[in-house]
Amino acid sequence: AQTVTQSQPEMSVQEAETVTLSCTYDTSENNYYLFWYKQPPSRQMILVIRQEAYKQQNATENRFSVNFQKAAKSFSLKISDSQLGDTAMYFCALYNFNKFYFGSGTKLNVKP
Amino acid sequence: GAVVSQHPSRVICKSGTSVKIECRSLDFQATTMFWYRQFPKQSLMLMATSNEGSKATYEQGVEKDKFLINHASLTLSTLTVTSAHPEDSSFYICSARVDSFGSPLHFGNGTRLTVT
Repeated sequence: AQTVTQSQPEMSVQEAETVTLSCTYDTSENNYYLFWYKQPPSRQMILVIRQEAYKQQNATENRFSVNFQKAAKSFSLKISDSQLGDTAMYFCALYNFNKFYFGSGTKLNVKP
Repeated sequence: GAVVSQHPSRVICKSGTSVKIECRSLDFQATTMFWYRQFPKQSLMLMATSNEGSKATYEQGVEKDKFLINHASLTLSTLTVTSAHPEDSSFYICSARVDSFGSPLHFGNGTRLTVT
């Protein structure tokens, strides 16, 4: 079974600070992809970052980076220099077998 | 690139009527599109996988006769909620992706359906 777990329902961070969102997953496959999506109040789902399981190097997109620990099946998202516009729901997702499996989400509040 | 357009963004209908939601991939072709339902403050629940030129694959517990999916072309999938009831009120989101392993999902803006 493919499962994705986000254990932090809600988090807060001060503007300009750094925050890390946790995600663990379970799959028996070796080849898969992991994603982080952001859903702001507009409810538009936006791709934040993508990681291929075969790549050991952690993906980075500007202020967003991941800590991918394949053996531990952990895929955390670090947001540096948090901005007010980062306030959103963040979903971790696992892709394989032509399906995407989403976690329950973490609501991030960035405070001024 | 990779834009998905979903229409309408908001619809209110009376109980017993049917509502059609369109999902278009504007700048890429997608043999597969996905329809999700999202309840307030919850994650996305996959309803069905829409396959171009063939029948949709529904997730367990999703009524095929109530949620009709048609994937008539490589850029268009539609979801029709038939004989809508108030409990069908929800936020519906479509998504599509380029047919390449690992390519991400691109989402439409979603449709807020309210059944009165």
